[in-house]
Amino acid sequence: GESVGLHLPTLSVQEGDNSIINCAYSNSASDYFIWYKQESGKGPQFIIDIRSNMDKRQGQRVTVLLNKTVKHLSLQIAATQPGDSAVYFCAETPMVNTGKLIFGQGTTLQVKP
Amino acid sequence: DTGVSQNPRHKITKRGQNVTFRCDPISEHNRLYWYRQTLGQGPEFLTYFQNEAQLEKSRLLSDRFSAERPKGSFSTLEIQRTEQGDSAMYLCASSPAGLGQPQHFGDGTRLSIL
Repeated sequence: GESVGLHLPTLSVQEGDNSIINCAYSNSASDYFIWYKQESGKGPQFIIDIRSNMDKRQGQRVTVLLNKTVKHLSLQIAATQPGDSAVYFCAETPMVNTGKLIFGQGTTLQVKP
Repeated sequence: DTGVSQNPRHKITKRGQNVTFRCDPISEHNRLYWYRQTLGQGPEFLTYFQNEAQLEKSRLLSDRFSAERPKGSFSTLEIQRTEQGDSAMYLCASSPAGLGQPQHFGDGTRLSIL
């Protein structure tokens, strides 16, 4: 079946270090991917997206890498800050059907001061 | 605030009662989505609208659930005869039409069934 999964449920990093959060997806028809950040009691917040015709996209302090060969997606956060502490989800959808996002279970990022 | 707005933020009700949630999307977005999220899990898709048309429904959306978007603006999600298993966070998102448009979420309605 369709699934998007994350490799680690919890990631703990030191403030100022770089963080890498990984995601594996199984639906080869997926061609649009999004990373969301969710803080306690709030809805998912859009971070960055990437289409399957790209393998890398950069934002402010964040980079998303896509490896379609092994169906792997990663989110890199540079100079991690305490405010980055949250649960991070990757989500995927086929471009031809932009209705349904399929989410993984999430990775909790803990930033130690 | 021009983000997605959901009301109420919290709803506590007894099993068997009906509940209705409201979502006001970002004004220029013509797509509106409903998701359900339980503790420790990612959101699960329920249904979505383009303007007033409901284009897709998940099998999770039993016949006790109904969603409407009568004028293509705000949407309501009603759950009839609530059950313990309906306890969850109900999230609404919106996006523009077109390929590769990210969905933007509200802060959800947390439903607790006593």
